Amino acid sequence: RKEVEQDPGPFNVPEGATVAFNCTYSNSASQSFFWYRQDCRKEPKLLMSVYSSGNEDGRFTAQLNRASQYISLLIRDSKLSDSATYLCVVSEGGSYIPTFGRGTSLIVHP
Amino acid sequence: SQTIHQWPATLVQPVGSPLSLECTVEGTSNPNLYWYRQAAGRGLQLLFYSVGIGQISSEVPQNLSASRPQDRQFILSSKKLLLSDSGFYLCAWGPGQGDSPLHFGNGTRLTVT
Repeated sequence: RKEVEQDPGPFNVPEGATVAFNCTYSNSASQSFFWYRQDCRKEPKLLMSVYSSGNEDGRFTAQLNRASQYISLLIRDSKLSDSATYLCVVSEGGSYIPTFGRGTSLIVHP
Repeated sequence: SQTIHQWPATLVQPVGSPLSLECTVEGTSNPNLYWYRQAAGRGLQLLFYSVGIGQISSEVPQNLSASRPQDRQFILSSKKLLLSDSGFYLCAWGPGQGDSPLHFGNGTRLTVT
């Protein structure tokens, strides 16, 4: 069975903190990786794709470690508006069905 | 640009009543289409997906069915709702085979009473 595991949290951090989430996957044939953000009672929205070389988008940095089969998301200078659930998504090459993690909850407090 | 529309946003239905949720995609052709359900505080559960008109794959046997009468239309149905059908239903589309992310509609929050 293909598994994507995330620490459910919640991660409770003050504004301005740096926080990192990891996501492990079991399928070594996985080729595509994404992070989504889901606000309470809303749909998941794509936050960023994760590339082999790592990628950065403003305060967000995503990295992939194929050898250890995990991806990570680093959020610097946390804002109150970053409070949400962050979903890790992994997809095998040629597959129509991505595998979603159950998400990590982040709460940023003043 | 591509957009996905899903309706209604909320729905309260009695046990035993029928259900029809509709999803349409604009700005693309031959998308892969998906129905997910998310129970309160839980992860996403894939219910159905479709790679073309009339092609439906079911991931979980249950009280629901799906249809794709047109290229960019995906419908989730039930003849008789159960209490356990309550949840947040999400339609999504994707352009290819896993190398591109899925994009979700706004979701339908269904409460079966």
